[in-house]
Amino acid sequence: AQTVTQSQPEMSVQEAETVTLSCTYDTSENNYYLFWYKQPPSRQMILVIRQEAYKQQNATENRFSVNFQKAAKSFSLKISDSQLGDTAMYFCAFMKGSGGSNYKLTFGKGTLLTVNP
Amino acid sequence: DTGVSQDPRHKITKRGQNVTFRCDPISEHNRLYWYRQTLGQGPEFLTYFQNEAQLEKSRLLSDRFSAERPKGSFSTLEIQRTEQGDSAMYLCASSLGGRAGPSTDTQYFGPGTRLTVL
Repeated sequence: AQTVTQSQPEMSVQEAETVTLSCTYDTSENNYYLFWYKQPPSRQMILVIRQEAYKQQNATENRFSVNFQKAAKSFSLKISDSQLGDTAMYFCAFMKGSGGSNYKLTFGKGTLLTVNP
Repeated sequence: DTGVSQDPRHKITKRGQNVTFRCDPISEHNRLYWYRQTLGQGPEFLTYFQNEAQLEKSRLLSDRFSAERPKGSFSTLEIQRTEQGDSAMYLCASSLGGRAGPSTDTQYFGPGTRLTVL
């Protein structure tokens, strides 16, 4: 079974600064996907970024980028130029690749990020 | 594209009552998932449909839980004889599978149904 660990229950950052959220995972699979989702207070889960394990290049989406270290099974999220609207719970998630497998997501426990003005 | 919708958004019920939740996925998405999220935790997988077929159920899904997806469109999740431990946010997600592209198999979530069992 896959496990996802987010070791930082809470973090804070000043507006306009950069912050990095950590995520490690454990799997014996070689083909899989990794995701970061954002869940603002009392609002729905939103996809932030996605990484395919077979891709060596780290994914980026505007101010969001990842550092994917496959050998170390590490998948951190970097948020640049933090904005007040980035305040949310951030979840790291794992999904096995295709090939007749279940496509369920396995989530970490989340990191609550607060951006301070 | 109107996104994933769920109804109701909130449900308060008494222990022992039955409740039913509905999820409408993004149109053309062939995969639909149900998750349960308790306070301060990440979502946990409950069950998964590909079109109308329910392909996997988590051990979290006791016999009191049943899910359907008739005609491969919307889905319902029913909980019979609710217990206080069923209080949680029930999330639905959908994805488009089986086709190439950067969004394939990416799950998009609805707003959830928050269940409170008194």
